[in-house]
Parts: sequence; structure tokens; C-alpha cells
Amino acid sequence: GAGVSQSPSNKVTEKGKDVELRCDPISGHTALYWYRQSLGQGLEFLIYFQGNSAPDKSGLPSDRFSAERTGGSVSTLTIQRTQQEDSAVYLCASSLGVGGNTIYFGEGSWLTVV
Amino acid sequence: QKEVEQDPGPLSVPEGAIVSLNCTYSNSAFQYFMWYRQYSRKGPELLMYTYSSGNKEDGRFTAQVDKSSKYISLFIRDSQPSDSATYLCAMAKSGTYKYIFGTGTRLKVLA
Repeated sequence: GAGVSQSPSNKVTEKGKDVELRCDPISGHTALYWYRQSLGQGLEFLIYFQGNSAPDKSGLPSDRFSAERTGGSVSTLTIQRTQQEDSAVYLCASSLGVGGNTIYFGEGSWLTVV
Repeated sequence: QKEVEQDPGPLSVPEGAIVSLNCTYSNSAFQYFMWYRQYSRKGPELLMYTYSSGNKEDGRFTAQVDKSSKYISLFIRDSQPSDSATYLCAMAKSGTYKYIFGTGTRLKVLA
């Protein structure tokens, strides 16, 4: 596609429910990233994929968070048993490779847990 | 100490002013430096990309990297109200996937 596509763009969910956030990266981009941005905060790295594998999951805040990528393309970030502190913007980005390749962001999925 | 420090602002300037946005960093291994612009409720959009030291100009925007001082800057000439946004610096080492972001500076250009 022309850019990184994320869905849903907005999600309001009740505390305790599970949510799935989807990312469709730029075609041909092998690297995919998930970041979280809380109000007034910088970008917090969550996870990085190279192809379908995730060499670095160190940023996932807890075991309620998981992510997968299939076919070297679409990725899903799943948050189980959501808590209010999970409310944030979840940004997906992709790049051709690593080590200086420019990363391009989607518009984000705005999650509110009530 | 954070790897990348950025003044959060907000920074308010009159239309037409020259704006200077800055980041400092501690890791001398950073080689790639980027500036992103983020409008309210939008994703970050790449503005400038620089490798190693030096200047890069694109229209009203100039990016400067001073590796000896571990300091990068983004200058905006003839600032416009449409430049009102949060500006994020980012940097990366060669051969790594980990891009380190500043917390962003909120800029408001007053008409």
C-alpha cells in the first residue's frame, strides 16, 4: 500500500476486555515496529519484527501484551484484560531494513479503556 | 540520564519567526538522525533525515548535526501557523533496528 495502515483508528473498550490492533505495513518493508505514545509522553518501543520473527520483545509492558506478524506483512498487537493504564496511542511503523533506514508511521490506533 | 533529551516546550512564536528546535544525546555511536512532525491526533511524519554530521536543507527546513557536541537542531524559517505541531527527534546506530526518540517539542506559531 501507499502508507502504513492501522485499524481501528479509535477504540473504546471496557476494562478487562481484550483488544486487537492491526497494522498493514508499506509493501516490501521487512521491518515492522510497534510503539506506544501516552499523553504528553515520547514514543515507547514495544516490539520489533524482522520478517515474521520478533527478535526483540523487550518493550512489551507485561504478559498481557502480545504481537504476531504473518506472511511478512500484516501484524496484530493484542492486549488482554485491558487496564486503564493501557489507554494510549499505539503506533505502527515499517522500514525497508534496519540500521538507518527511514521508518514510516501509520496514523495510530487511539485506545481508551473505560 | 535519558539517551536523548528534548525540551518539551511548549514553544510559542509569531508567524514569520525563525524557530530552532534541539535535541542532545549521550551515545556517540548514533549515526542516523531524523526529525518527525506530529500533528494532533495524527501519526509522526518524517521531515528530515541526516546521516552523520553536517547540514541538510529542504525548503524552509534545515537540519544540523554536530556530533562533537552530541547536539542536533531543526530550524524552521518563515514559520507558519500550519507548522504548529509536535516535533520529535530520533536517532539510530548503524546496523541496529532501535530508533531512539525524544519526547517531542510542542510548537505553536501564532498568526
